[in-house]
Formats: sequence, structure tokens, C-alpha cells
Amino acid sequence: DGGITQSPKYLFRKEGQNVTLSCEQNLNHDAMYWYRQDPGQGLRLIYYSQIVNDFQKGDIAEGYSVSREKKESFPLTVTSAQKNPTAFYLCASSIAPGGAGSGELFFGEGSRLTVL
Amino acid sequence: GQQLNQSPQSMFIQEGEDVSMNCTSSSIFNTWLWYKQDPGEGPVLLIALYKAGELTSNGRLTAQFGITRKDSFLNISASIPSDVGIYFCAGPTDFFTGGGNKLTFGTGTQLKVEL
Repeated sequence: DGGITQSPKYLFRKEGQNVTLSCEQNLNHDAMYWYRQDPGQGLRLIYYSQIVNDFQKGDIAEGYSVSREKKESFPLTVTSAQKNPTAFYLCASSIAPGGAGSGELFFGEGSRLTVL
Repeated sequence: GQQLNQSPQSMFIQEGEDVSMNCTSSSIFNTWLWYKQDPGEGPVLLIALYKAGELTSNGRLTAQFGITRKDSFLNISASIPSDVGIYFCAGPTDFFTGGGNKLTFGTGTQLKVEL
């Protein structure tokens, strides 16, 4: 079945460590996104990519990095520079930006990161 | 960045009751989206609205694109326990470099259903 797979679902990290969250999609979508969710807040955009080998910062990119070497994959690295990394991270994808329905996002099941 | 205001923040209802929630913006939108998030899962798109005044249904869910283009409403009829979750509205508040809508999400309405 087509969909978005995030891993791991739960992750614990010590302060000062980098950690990479995986996101893979087989929907043949061009655009992929990373969001952060904190309790009582809406989803905030970290990074997005509209095409392979290109990505742009979202609203809260500081302390994060991404790569988009393949259409199917958009991993997110939470670096030690991120001051408050404990959160629920959501990956999403959509059809090519600008097309009809391009605002409709398909989400993965999320990865919960806890910094000890 | 711009925020979408959702209300109510949370609601406790009895099974079988109808539910109404809304989302407002200070600017005009050309798209409104409604998502539902189950606990510990990613949001799932429920309804997409693309035209002012549009009324769209998906089973027991009905959403409307406000005529002012600054608000949207979601109604759930005859609620059941599996309706529990957080409901988010989303709308395009900007455009990505290269085109496409950049969505902003509301803060969510948490729905709890009592048996």
C-alpha cells in the first residue's frame, strides 16, 4: 500500500547528541515536509523540499538539517544546536507544488523524540 | 507567522451528540483543509474546500468554506467514541518559493466523547 513511513516511532537522545529521523514515501510525491508538534500548539514547519536535491527552511529550521538525495526519502537530523528538541515530529508529502490539491498533505505516523 | 484561531480548544460531549467547531483567519483564503489526528498518530485529511460558500460532506462530517473566505466550519453529526482526537484546520498563508501553498495549521480542537 502507498504511504509514508517514519522511523523510529520513539527515540531517546542524550543532550549534545545528533539524531536522524527517517521518512520514506512511495506515493510518487514531489514535495516533502517536516513538521514539529508540541502540546497545545499547531504544527510548525521545519523544512520542506519541492524537488530532489533542493530544500528550503521553514518557520523553525534552526538546529535542524535535511537532505533530499532521492525522491522517496527526506531524512531530518536534529542537531545538538536545537535547544528544545523534545517533541513529536511529523513528515508529510504532497503532489507537485502549485497543482490542484497541492495543499493536501499526507502524513506519516510520527516520531516522538525525547531528550534525556 | 500568521495563526489560525480554532475554537473551542477542547470539548467534552456525549455519544450521539452533534459537534461544531470553527476556524478563523485575519486574511482571505482560497483553500481550507480539515485534518483529524488520533492520539500518537499523524493527521489524516478529512475534507478539502476550494470555493467560498462550498459545503462538503464526508460521512457524518460536514465542512463549510465561509462566505467571507476568512473562516471555515466543521460539523460532526451523531458522534461516536472513535471521533475522539484533535481536529486541525489548515489554510495557505504563503507561497513556497517555486510555487505551491504553504499551509498554516490551527492550534486544534480536542474532542472527547463520553459514552
